[in-house]
Amino acid sequence: AQSVTQPDARVTVSEGASLQLRCKYSYFGTPYLFWYVQYPRQGLQLLLKYYPGDPVVQGVNGFEAEFSKSNSSFHLRKASVHWSDWAVYFCAVSSGSFNKLTFGAGTRLAVCP
Amino acid sequence: DPKIIQKPKYLVAVTGSEKILICEQYLGHNAMYWYRQSAKKPLEFMFSYSYQKLMDNQTASSRFQPQSSKKNHLDLQITALKPDDSATYFCASSQEAGDTEVFFGKGTRLTVV
Repeated sequence: AQSVTQPDARVTVSEGASLQLRCKYSYFGTPYLFWYVQYPRQGLQLLLKYYPGDPVVQGVNGFEAEFSKSNSSFHLRKASVHWSDWAVYFCAVSSGSFNKLTFGAGTRLAVCP
Repeated sequence: DPKIIQKPKYLVAVTGSEKILICEQYLGHNAMYWYRQSAKKPLEFMFSYSYQKLMDNQTASSRFQPQSSKKNHLDLQITALKPDDSATYFCASSQEAGDTEVFFGKGTRLTVV
């Protein structure tokens, strides 16, 4: 069965610092991978998505992620964090079957001034 | 301007009662879904519908029944409510069931007392 692990429940960074949020997946075959962000009292918004191809994908607001088949990872990165990035970030994998998305537990990002 | 409307935003219910969570999408999508986010578990897939037909059901309990009266509606009826049903329920949609870009509503937070 597919699964997603986000090993860091909470990450705190200073505004302007770089960011990496980790995601490990387990999936038999070629996965479709996603990062979603959830701002306070909001629904989930898609940040970026990986389809088989270029391992580095660009998303909105300066986010990017890199797919690694050998490491079964799909880490999210941002060069310079802004206070508005304070949110919960979810990594997800799709089975491709009627869009059943399997989510990780999420990483809560806090940004310090 | 939200394109996926969920009603109500907050809901408190008594154990044993029945509630209906409303979802309407105005994106012209043909596939709709329900997901649940609780304090104890990651965001988890419940149901997928395509052209108003049930495609996938990952909910073990028959107390959860989706209802699609119109193409852009997918309500969720929950009967015999239990405290463990307390969670935020997210409605989502995509253009087609095979599309990998899924859009989420803001959720209905259900508390069962």
